[in-house]
Amino acid sequence: NAGVMQNPRHLVRRRGQEARLRCSPMKGHSHVYWYRQLPEEGLKFMVYLQKENIIDESGMPKERFSAEFPKEGPSILRIQQVVRGDSAAYFCASSPGTADTQYFGPGTRLTVL
Amino acid sequence: EDQVTQSPEALRLQEGESSSLNCSYTVSGLRGLFWYRQDPGKGPEFLFTLYSAGEEKEKERLKATLTKKESFLHITAPKPEDSATYLCASLVGGGNKLTFGTGTQLKVEL
Repeated sequence: NAGVMQNPRHLVRRRGQEARLRCSPMKGHSHVYWYRQLPEEGLKFMVYLQKENIIDESGMPKERFSAEFPKEGPSILRIQQVVRGDSAAYFCASSPGTADTQYFGPGTRLTVL
Repeated sequence: EDQVTQSPEALRLQEGESSSLNCSYTVSGLRGLFWYRQDPGKGPEFLFTLYSAGEEKEKERLKATLTKKESFLHITAPKPEDSATYLCASLVGGGNKLTFGTGTQLKVEL
């Protein structure tokens, strides 16, 4: 029973580059969530997706950030033109349905130089 | 605005010294209260979900309880391997986003 998988586990980018974070949900889960954990802060919701649909993106920054969950393949969180303030741990979670328990992946630690 | 507050921020216990962690929430329309454990450099690991006031759930040395305003995570006779950050989160209304507290960092010493 594989859990939520995220890759890469660590990602280093220079300012202005693009970062792509991938998340494969648990088998049988069709709901995916992205959270961000800044140093010394709690986990903050970013976006909630189902296959091919963004359901709630109320926590996403208005610029440079986008997310998708295509019919085939993993969910992708994309950050364009990264800045130092984007350095954080990004966690993906999945659930089998709405209001169900969310299970988290190991996270991707993004460092922007 | 929905808020989740955890206390204490940090707690140091001796092995075998039982204690409780607090999670108070100011939300409308609570659908679920979740407890997670997070080890350094790892993702949150699910522990419990509580849905209604008066509900209790247990797992090994941990017991979670829920009232109308707060939840407690009781740790009985803790061991060093229980050292971690414990997070609580609320799920409210018609949405699916979890609102997290900032966690209690627990250290259990021999």
